[in-house]
Amino acid sequence: AQTVTQSQPEMSVQEAETVTLSCTYDTSESDYYLFWYKQPPSRQMILVIRQEAYKQQNATENRFSVNFQKAAKSFSLKISDSQLGDAAMYFCAYGRNSNSGYALNFGKGTSLLVTP
Amino acid sequence: GAGVSQSPRYKVAKRGQDVALRCDPISGHVSLFWYQQALGQGPEFLTYFQNEAQLDKSGLPSDRFFAERPEGSVSTLKIQRTQQEDSAVYLCASSSRTGDSPLHFGNGTRLTVT
Repeated sequence: AQTVTQSQPEMSVQEAETVTLSCTYDTSESDYYLFWYKQPPSRQMILVIRQEAYKQQNATENRFSVNFQKAAKSFSLKISDSQLGDAAMYFCAYGRNSNSGYALNFGKGTSLLVTP
Repeated sequence: GAGVSQSPRYKVAKRGQDVALRCDPISGHVSLFWYQQALGQGPEFLTYFQNEAQLDKSGLPSDRFFAERPEGSVSTLKIQRTQQEDSAVYLCASSSRTGDSPLHFGNGTRLTVT
């Protein structure tokens, strides 16, 4: 089974600063996807960024970027120019395409606090 | 609607009661997933539908859990004889096709079993 580990239960960052959230995963597959989801108090999971394992180039989405280290099975999220609205739970997730769609395995999450 | 809709938003059940949780996916979405999120944890996969076919139910924790999607759109997750350990947020997600298309999540149903 694929496991996803987020070793930081809570992180704090000042507004306008940069923060990095860590994620490691365990898999024997070569073809898979990695995701970062944001979950605000509304509970809705919002996709922040995704990375295909076969792509060497790190994904970026505006202020969000990842550092994907396939050999190390590491997938960290960097948030630049942090904003108050970035405060939420962040979940790293692993997805493997299969005949059953791709069920995501999530980590336990990191709570991000943004201070003014 | 514009997004995945789940109802009710909150549900309180007495231990032993049956509950039914509803998910309205985005219109036309082929794939539908149910996840269970316990307090302080990440979501855990329960079951997956492709249209009306339930292709994977390996995550359902016991035979008290049953899901259906009879017409390939709305899905219902039913929990029989609820137990306290069933208390969690139940999230539904849909995507436009199989494979790597992104998942759209609903706001979930928070179930509390007393």
